[in-house]
Amino acid sequence: DAKTTQPPSMDCAEGRAANLPCNHSTISGNEYVYWYRQIHSQGPQYIIHGLKNNETNEMASLIITEDRKSSTLILPHATLRDTAVYYCIVRDSTNTGTASKLTFGTGTRLQVTL
Amino acid sequence: DTGVSQDPRHKITKRGQNVTFRCDPISEHNRLYWYRQTLGQGPEFLTYFQNEAQLEKSRLLSDRFSAERPKGSFSTLEIQRTEQGDSAMYLCASRRQGTEQYFGPGTRLTVT
Repeated sequence: DAKTTQPPSMDCAEGRAANLPCNHSTISGNEYVYWYRQIHSQGPQYIIHGLKNNETNEMASLIITEDRKSSTLILPHATLRDTAVYYCIVRDSTNTGTASKLTFGTGTRLQVTL
Repeated sequence: DTGVSQDPRHKITKRGQNVTFRCDPISEHNRLYWYRQTLGQGPEFLTYFQNEAQLEKSRLLSDRFSAERPKGSFSTLEIQRTEQGDSAMYLCASRRQGTEQYFGPGTRLTVT
């Protein structure tokens, strides 16, 4: 699986959009970009994933650049409850014979403030 | 609450003791994962079960670690002769084909 690079920390004012960047310059054609988050003292929580098109769900939007070397997770109206560590993960989803395990980096610690 | 439960939530043990953790996955999930997370790091994969078969193990899973999933439902992770370096959060996750992994709340182990 390709390696990802994320800033260690970011701040965001409550009610504003939080834009979390991720670089994955060695991503290959069959690798998806996944985002998980981990609120303090809880297990990671799936947010969203995508291959090359932009994706949106009830939690967030995922914007993937055309060359797929980077992506941005957008929380459109951040609240205090969005304070967490956000992990960007690149994973090959085409090989169903493997464990499909997740390889986490150190993520971005997002602090949402009043 | 994701539906994945882990027990206990916290465990303090003395070095050299054995400990066992339990994970109950979401009932229709046939795939189960164990991860370990140390302070300031992301979770690291330990092992994977599909039904009752243990199909993949990380090199992190030393001989002192053993995991089982006897009937393809709950799973246990045992650490023998614990060391201070085993202090970590142990996370369990489950899924079925076509879904993402759902994580439990974790078991925090402290070895004194």
